[in-house]
Amino acid sequence: GENVEQHPSTLSVQEGDSAVIKCTYSDSASNYFPWYKQELGKRPQLIIDIRSNVGEKKDQRIAVTLNKTAKHFSLHITETQPEDSAVYFCAAPSNTGNQFYFGTGTSLTVIP
Amino acid sequence: DGGITQSPKYLFRKEGQNVTLSCEQNLNHDAMYWYRQDPGQGLRLIYYSQIVNDFQKGDIAEGYSVSREKKESFPLTVTSAQKNPTAFYLCASSIQVGHTRGAEAFFGQGTRLTVV
Repeated sequence: GENVEQHPSTLSVQEGDSAVIKCTYSDSASNYFPWYKQELGKRPQLIIDIRSNVGEKKDQRIAVTLNKTAKHFSLHITETQPEDSAVYFCAAPSNTGNQFYFGTGTSLTVIP
Repeated sequence: DGGITQSPKYLFRKEGQNVTLSCEQNLNHDAMYWYRQDPGQGLRLIYYSQIVNDFQKGDIAEGYSVSREKKESFPLTVTSAQKNPTAFYLCASSIQVGHTRGAEAFFGQGTRLTVV
């Protein structure tokens, strides 16, 4: 099955700085990579996703990059704000496409 | 208000008892999932269902059971055979199973189960 690794597990940045979270996956056939944000005590919610036919996707302060050759994808948050503080999860599909495998999560803290 | 609803939010169970967690969605989604969330381990899949009356084991199905008698409902039973049931349980649904475009997973607010 798919193996998704996520780093770092914790990340602290000063407000206004950038944050980068990286994930690697093992199945070269995977073609859809979502990122979820989970605020404390709340449900995970999709914030951005990317398909394998593009290398980068942006949505305001959030961007995701994908390197299919190296089998890794990254979440970039620019001009971080305190409300960005949360746990972020990456995911990749299984080789059957029937389920997602999630990374172990990154706890991001933005220090005002 | 469309969405996916889990109940209860907090649940306490005595050792040796079975307990059922509810998950209901009115999004008309075919696929539904149950995940377990433990600190430092991310989300691990317990069971998933692609369609009514069908469900498949995930990576950690031992000690759990599910049913999918209606499209809207996917209850999870934590049985006494589950050796370490204290965890946060998340239910999710999506238009279709897996990795195709638009298969965003919508999560419920979770149920925190504590065995006492």
